[in-house]
Amino acid sequence: GQQLNQSPQSMFIQEGEDVSMNCTSSSIFNTWLWYKQEPGEGPVLLIALYKAGELTSNGRLTAQFGITRKDSFLNISASIPSDVGIYFCAGQLSFQPYTNAGGTSYGKLTFGQGTILTVHP
Amino acid sequence: DADVTQTPRNRITKTGKRIMLECSQTKGHDRMYWYRQDPGLGLRLIYYSFDVKDINKGEISDGYSVSRQAQAKFSLSLESAIPNQTALYFCATSDPLAEQFFGPGTRLTVL
Repeated sequence: GQQLNQSPQSMFIQEGEDVSMNCTSSSIFNTWLWYKQEPGEGPVLLIALYKAGELTSNGRLTAQFGITRKDSFLNISASIPSDVGIYFCAGQLSFQPYTNAGGTSYGKLTFGQGTILTVHP
Repeated sequence: DADVTQTPRNRITKTGKRIMLECSQTKGHDRMYWYRQDPGLGLRLIYYSFDVKDINKGEISDGYSVSRQAQAKFSLSLESAIPNQTALYFCATSDPLAEQFFGPGTRLTVL
C-alpha cells in the first residue's frame, strides 16, 4: 500500500527560527494536506494543496506540492511558542466515482508519521 | 458547538469487555472515518463510510466493527477489547474536496 515518510521526526528550535519539514511518498497523490495537532485535540487542517507545483501560504506557513506529485514540504517562518505541536502531512488520490467493491484507494487519506515541534522561548 | 463530537473522551476498560465509541457531526458530510493514533505511527485508518449504506475496512480493521446509524452518526465498537488496542481514537468527516475534519479524540486504555 501507499506509504508516506515524514521528516524530521522531531525538532527542537528557538523562538524566531524558521522550520522546514517534508513528506515523500512511494506513489503519487493528487492532493496534499498539512495538519497540526495540539495536546488533547484532534488534528486541524492548516493548508490544502490540489495541484502539482502549487505553492500556498497561510500566514507564516508555506507549503508546496511537489512537481513529481510524490512529495510536499511545509515551512514555518519566525516560529513562536504556540507553534508547538505535532504536524502531519497527508496525501489523497483524487476522488473518483467509486464502486461498492471495496478496496478503492480513492477518497482516503494516507498520513505521515508526524513531526513533533518544540519551540523554546 | 463543535462540528465533530466524540463520546466518551476518556475510557478505561478491562480485557474482554465490549466497548463502543460514538461520533456525531453537524457538518452535513456524507463521509465519515475512524482512525487510531499511536505514538510514532501517525494516524491509521480503521473503517470509513462514504454514505449511510456504505462501510469499508481500512488498513487496521481487525478487532473492530462499525455502525453508520445515520448521516450524522458513526460508531466504532471493540467486541472484545485487548491491551494493544490502547490508543487515541479519532473520528473524522469530509466533503468531496478531501479535507477531513477531526473530532477531539477518545483516549482508550485497556487493562
